[in-house]
Amino acid sequence: NAGVTQTPKFQVLKTGQSMTLQCAQDMNHEYMSWYRQDPGMGLRLIHYSVGAGITDQGEVPNGYNVSRSTTEDFPLRLLSAAPSQTSVYFCASRRTGSTRNQPQHFGDGTRLSIL
Amino acid sequence: GESVGLHLPTLSVQEGDNSIINCAYSNSASDYFIWYKQESGKGPQFIIDIRSNMDKRQGQRVTVLLNKTVKHLSLQIAATQPGDSAVYFCAVSNSGGSNYKLTFGKGTLLTVNP
Repeated sequence: NAGVTQTPKFQVLKTGQSMTLQCAQDMNHEYMSWYRQDPGMGLRLIHYSVGAGITDQGEVPNGYNVSRSTTEDFPLRLLSAAPSQTSVYFCASRRTGSTRNQPQHFGDGTRLSIL
Repeated sequence: GESVGLHLPTLSVQEGDNSIINCAYSNSASDYFIWYKQESGKGPQFIIDIRSNMDKRQGQRVTVLLNKTVKHLSLQIAATQPGDSAVYFCAVSNSGGSNYKLTFGKGTLLTVNP
């Protein structure tokens, strides 16, 4: 199993451009999420999904859209990139079901710079 | 809400010594706690977790201690090795609320000196 795969690993955008960060997992996990990591801020939840067709907002959702059309994929879209969105973005997944407490498994991140 | 802090942003130890990384949380309803290790350029890697019905849990060279009275969590690493050098995060959640949301601490950078 590859686990959680994120693409691209690095990206530079200009202010106002749009792009989609890809995330795929092959563990058949119901729950997927997106975090951003900024220096001194820890990881902050952007959006999450508890299954195909279901998404919800996290702590810092503004400026980002998500969709979940399949169990495997959970793309994150930046509609109009702003310098404040310069960050490292991590996708994570975990099982849900009857056991509610399960650790999340993370991808290796996308490093995004907005000029 | 939940806030999670760490007592020290950096910790430097000698190879072979034991390391202790601390974490404090604010929400007394938090009932699930996780420690992650993050190496440079990588995503957080799960180390060990503990539920609120336990005070201690041991893994391979790692032990997590939970003190619910003072809302404190610690990660102990035995016989620390150079490969343990990384940033360590604690994360907490409340399954009574939205169990899907983890709140992360800001991280402690562990440096192991040979």
